[in-house]
Amino acid sequence: NAGVTQTPKFRILKIGQSMTLQCAQDMNHNYMYWYRQDPGMGLKLIYYSVGAGITDKGEVPNGYNVSRSTTEDFPLRLELAAPSQTSVYFCASRRGGPLNEQFFGPGTRLTVL
Amino acid sequence: GQQVMQIPQYQHVQEGEDFTTYCNSSTTLSNIQWYKQRPGGHPVFLIQLVKSGEVKKQKRLTFQFGEAKKNSSLHITATQTTDVGTYFCAGRGNEKLTFGTGTRLTIIP
Repeated sequence: NAGVTQTPKFRILKIGQSMTLQCAQDMNHNYMYWYRQDPGMGLKLIYYSVGAGITDKGEVPNGYNVSRSTTEDFPLRLELAAPSQTSVYFCASRRGGPLNEQFFGPGTRLTVL
Repeated sequence: GQQVMQIPQYQHVQEGEDFTTYCNSSTTLSNIQWYKQRPGGHPVFLIQLVKSGEVKKQKRLTFQFGEAKKNSSLHITATQTTDVGTYFCAGRGNEKLTFGTGTRLTIIP
């Protein structure tokens, strides 16, 4: 199993541009999450999904959108990029049930100039 | 909303010394998880604690969950250079985890 994969690994955007961060998992997990991590800080939840077709906002959703058309994929869309969105973005998934271990992808480092 | 704080924010220790990080939640938690993030890496799950007063050990790491299920600690005995990284606690509320602010551990050889 590849686990949780993310593309791209690095990206530089200009202010006002848009892009989609890709996330996929091959573990048949129902739950998927998007976090951002600013330098030296903890993880902030952007959006999450409890299954295909169901998404909900996390702590910091403004400026982002998500979709979950399949169990495997959970892309994150940035519209009108701003310097405040410069961060490392992590996607994570978990199966559900009593052991709630989250598996993280390697991250996407995004810089908005 | 739920807030999870960790102290200290940074800890520098000599190799072989012990290390402890503390985690405090503003609300009672159903369970708490601990993750380790190596420099430049992604968070990796270490353990989950569920029961009030629970203590679990993984080799040199000891994890505790408070009696009131609002606090937790991670203690590392005789640190090694491989312990370098940031340790996060994360408290679960419904479908979401709230991550603590993290403690960055550096080891002085």
